[in-house]
This record gives sequence, structure tokens and C-alpha cells, in this order.
Amino acid sequence: QVQLQESGPGLVKPSDTLSLTCAVSGSSIAYRNWWGWIRQPPGKGLEWIGYIYYTGNTYYNPSLKGRLTVSVDTSKNQFSLKMSSVTAADTAVYYCVRSSVSPDFFGDWGRGLLVTVSS
Amino acid sequence: QSVVTQPPSASGTPGQRVTISCSGSGSNIGSNPVNWYQQLPETAPKVLIYSNDQRRSGVPDRFSGSKSGTSASLAISGLQSEDEADYYCSVWDDSLKGWVFGGGTRLTVL
Repeated sequence: QVQLQESGPGLVKPSDTLSLTCAVSGSSIAYRNWWGWIRQPPGKGLEWIGYIYYTGNTYYNPSLKGRLTVSVDTSKNQFSLKMSSVTAADTAVYYCVRSSVSPDFFGDWGRGLLVTVSS
Repeated sequence: QSVVTQPPSASGTPGQRVTISCSGSGSNIGSNPVNWYQQLPETAPKVLIYSNDQRRSGVPDRFSGSKSGTSASLAISGLQSEDEADYYCSVWDDSLKGWVFGGGTRLTVL
């Protein structure tokens, strides 16, 4: 059973960079999976942010592209999200997720981390 | 405004059958398999149905999925109070080159 755990600051100032890390246990991150991020603003629906294959190949939400970097650290068995120039609209619960390959679906989720953007 | 649309709400009484629709286009549902997620209050979502109609291990057979053309549906039979949750469809969009989620449907068990 794969377990995912988000960590990072719960409060980020506007225009700063949001940085989150997801620790993976129960599976090697260097395996045929996509590792990514999904967010959910308070009281709203889910939004896919982006994900990375263990080889480094990435896909990002086009509406957020340009502000995003998702990276993998195989030595620590974890992956990270950096989102620059945040605004209040980026306030959300951020989930890290694992997606299998063929079939593709988000089979494992972290518990989620609320990040608030406020001065 | 999501590129795939779901009704914002649905309801039913215990024992009833309810369906939740998910409507898209040729670049998403028309070309790729649909997944369905259930989000219980204050918890992370979990996948119920993947590849249009495949139940994830452990998911009761009361839950079923289907797809036709550019639309998909999630059906829940023998509705139970614990089914009260938000349900999301999700699919890869070839034009956007990314995953899209429907806006979510809140299911109320009356």
C-alpha cells in the first residue's frame, strides 16, 4: 500500500513561491508511476496541477504553466511542487497523488495540506 | 468553467438508484477513458471507477460506470446513507494535454 504525506508551510505571502514536498512510502518513486499534485480551493472542486514521471517527464495544467515546477528526488523517495507568484486564488488544499500507468487513474492520495495565501 | 460538466447536485432515498452524468467533447471523453472519484466529507477523494466501467478493488458492486460517445455516467444502486458525498468525473484531454475534472456532483441521501 502506497502512502503519501504532504509537507510545507500552511501560510504563504502573495507574490511568494509556494513549496510543497510529498514523501512516498510503500513504493519506490523510481517506478512506472506518475507522481503529481491536485488542489481544491475551499468549498470548490478539484483541479489537476501537474505530474512527473520518475524519468523526469512532466505535464502541467496549461492554466498554471509558467508558474510550476514539479521535481523528483529519488534519493529521498519524494517529489516536490513549486508554484511561483502566488495570489489569494491559489489558496487551497493541496493533495499529492500517485497515478498508475495504463490504466491511468489517481489511485493513491495524500491526506491533503491547506495552504493559505495571505499577507 | 470546466471542460467536462456534471450536475451540481443529485439526490435519492435509501434503496433507490441514482445516476450522475458527465458531459465532455471529442478531445476528452470522446477519446479517453473516464474515471470517477468519491469524496466523503473532510477526506481526500478516492477512485471508485476507472477506465469507464472498471471498479477499483474493494468498491461495492452497487457502483457502476458507463460511457457513450462524449458522455459518461456513474450509477449507484441500492443507495445508502454512507453514499452521501461529492462525486467527480475525470478524463485526460488531448487538446489541453492534461487531466480535467468535472465540477463535481453533491449527492444527498434523503
